Amino acid sequence: QKEVEQNSGPLSVPEGAIASLNCTYSDRGSQSFFWYRQYSGKSPELIMFIYSNGDKEDGRFTAQLNKASQYVSLLIRDSQPSDSATYLCAVNNAGNMLTFGGGTRLMVKP
Amino acid sequence: SQTIHQWPATLVQPVGSPLSLECTVEGTSNPNLYWYRQAAGRGLQLLFYSVGIGQISSEVPQNLSASRPQDRQFILSSKKLLLSDSGFYLCAWRTGMGNTIYFGEGSWLTVV
Repeated sequence: QKEVEQNSGPLSVPEGAIASLNCTYSDRGSQSFFWYRQYSGKSPELIMFIYSNGDKEDGRFTAQLNKASQYVSLLIRDSQPSDSATYLCAVNNAGNMLTFGGGTRLMVKP
Repeated sequence: SQTIHQWPATLVQPVGSPLSLECTVEGTSNPNLYWYRQAAGRGLQLLFYSVGIGQISSEVPQNLSASRPQDRQFILSSKKLLLSDSGFYLCAWRTGMGNTIYFGEGSWLTVV
């Protein structure tokens, strides 16, 4: 079974700190990887995607991909209380279907 | 630009009643369309996806069904709701396999 695993949290970080969110996946044929943010009671919204090994930066967000280790992460620098949400990792597998992890709840404390 | 609309936003339905959730996408043609369900505190479960008019694939056998009567319209239905059908239903679209999925606003369904 093609799985995407995330620690459910909550991950608690102080305001201004770096939040590190991790995700592992089982399908070695996966080609593209996505991070979504979901506020309570709302639909998920795309933060960023990554296709190649290495880092991809967008503002305060950095996605990191290591296909050999089947590992993708999201770093949030200078975390703000408004970043408090559930973060969903999604993986597009070799069958071209998007599989979501269960999400990590992030709490940024002022 | 592309937009996706989903309705109704919330509904409370008795057990055994029918269901119809509707989703439309604007600004694109021949999108791949998806219905997901998210139970309280849980991850996203793919229910149905469609790559074209009249083409529906079911991921999870249950008392729900989906239809795509037009290119940019996707409907989720049930003839008789169960308590376990309660949850947050999300319609989503993507322009092609491998690309980003975008979600509608979601529909909160409570079966009582």
